[in-house]
Amino acid sequence: GENVEQHPSTLSVQEGDSAVIKCTYSDSASNYFPWYKQELGKRPQLIIDIRSNVGEKKDQRIAVTLNKTAKHFSLHITETQPEDSAVYFCAAIPISGYSTLTFGKGTMLLVSP
Amino acid sequence: ETGVTQSPTHLIKTRGQQVTLRCSSQSGHNTVSWYQQALGQGPQFIFQYYREEENGRGNFPPRFSGLQFPNYSSELNVNALELDDSALYLCASSLTGGIGTGELFFGEGSRLTVL
Repeated sequence: GENVEQHPSTLSVQEGDSAVIKCTYSDSASNYFPWYKQELGKRPQLIIDIRSNVGEKKDQRIAVTLNKTAKHFSLHITETQPEDSAVYFCAAIPISGYSTLTFGKGTMLLVSP
Repeated sequence: ETGVTQSPTHLIKTRGQQVTLRCSSQSGHNTVSWYQQALGQGPQFIFQYYREEENGRGNFPPRFSGLQFPNYSSELNVNALELDDSALYLCASSLTGGIGTGELFFGEGSRLTVL
């Protein structure tokens, strides 16, 4: 099955800095890569996603890049704000006949004022 | 508000007991997936239901079972509870059981503690 590795496990930045979280996946047939943000005690919420027919997608301060050859994708957050502090999960969907996600272990992002 | 609701929000059980968790999917969604999220970990796929049938299963033993009802709501049942079953159980609904499609909308989860 699919295996998703995520790095780093924790990331501390100063407000206004950029943050980058990287993920690799194992199943070359995976074609959908969402990123979820989970605040403490809250549900995971989709913040951005990318499909294998594009290499980059941007939404305001958040961008995701995908390199299918290398089987890795990254989340980029620019001009970080304290409210960006949360755990971020990457995920991938393997081609297996049903849509389910394999998640990475998460990155705790701490943005200091 | 995503519209996915789960109950109960918190519960405490002892080893060997059985538990049933419930999920109401977002209106119009016919697919429900269940995930187990241990503390400090990413969600792990348990199983998925599509139009009342199990449509895929992760690496969980048979004592984890489920149901989906005609209104697409769902239940997760866990028998013979073990300490390691302590986790946040997340239900997620989506529009389709198809491949690589459709955002998953998560509920707030049911936090199970097994003593």
